Amino acid sequence: SQTIHQWPATLVQPVGSPLSLECTVEGTSNPNLYWYRQAAGRGLQLLFYSVGIGQISSEVPQNLSASRPQDRQFILSSKKLLLSDSGFYLCAWSGAGRNTDTQYFGPGTRLTVL
Amino acid sequence: AQSVTQLDSHVSVSEGTPVLLRCNYSSSYSPSLFWYVQHPNKGLQLLLKYTSAATLVKGINGFEAEFKKSETSFHLTKPSAHMSDAAEYFCVVSDTLTGGSYIPTFGRGTSLIVHP
Repeated sequence: SQTIHQWPATLVQPVGSPLSLECTVEGTSNPNLYWYRQAAGRGLQLLFYSVGIGQISSEVPQNLSASRPQDRQFILSSKKLLLSDSGFYLCAWSGAGRNTDTQYFGPGTRLTVL
Repeated sequence: AQSVTQLDSHVSVSEGTPVLLRCNYSSSYSPSLFWYVQHPNKGLQLLLKYTSAATLVKGINGFEAEFKKSETSFHLTKPSAHMSDAAEYFCVVSDTLTGGSYIPTFGRGTSLIVHP
């Protein structure tokens, strides 16, 4: 069966510091991968998605970036965090082809920027 | 274009009573529709999915949803609420393939509160 991991689970960072969140998927190959942010009391905002290694689509322009160095690894980064970057970050995967419409989510990373 | 509206931001029920979480959608195509549940500080878990095979979809934990095209609705129900059902619920629509991926639209969520 497929599993999705995210780490760290929680993170407290000062404003202006860098960020690296990691997501990995097991048990499937060539998944589509997604990063979402969920601010307090709000819905999900799609940040990036990737349909293959090195292929990143950005949905929202901001100081975050994403990379996919390996087939089942997706990394969310920032060079300098802002207070507004605080939130709950969720990684998700979907299958390819017709199965790409169903997303499965990881456990999330709670980021607090102080 | 696709959109989804969850009609209630909060729903409060007593344990053992029925649950109804309402969702209306808009889609230019034949959409896939989903309900997800999120417990505090957890990821989203897929409850059920509609893909035109049957209008009444059964999911996990006793939940089900009925697709009504004439009403553009996909309401989530459960006959008897349990304390463990207290969570945030998201209705999701997906109908457009963009750049090799379906990009879903999430509702803003409905918080289900269950009283003892």
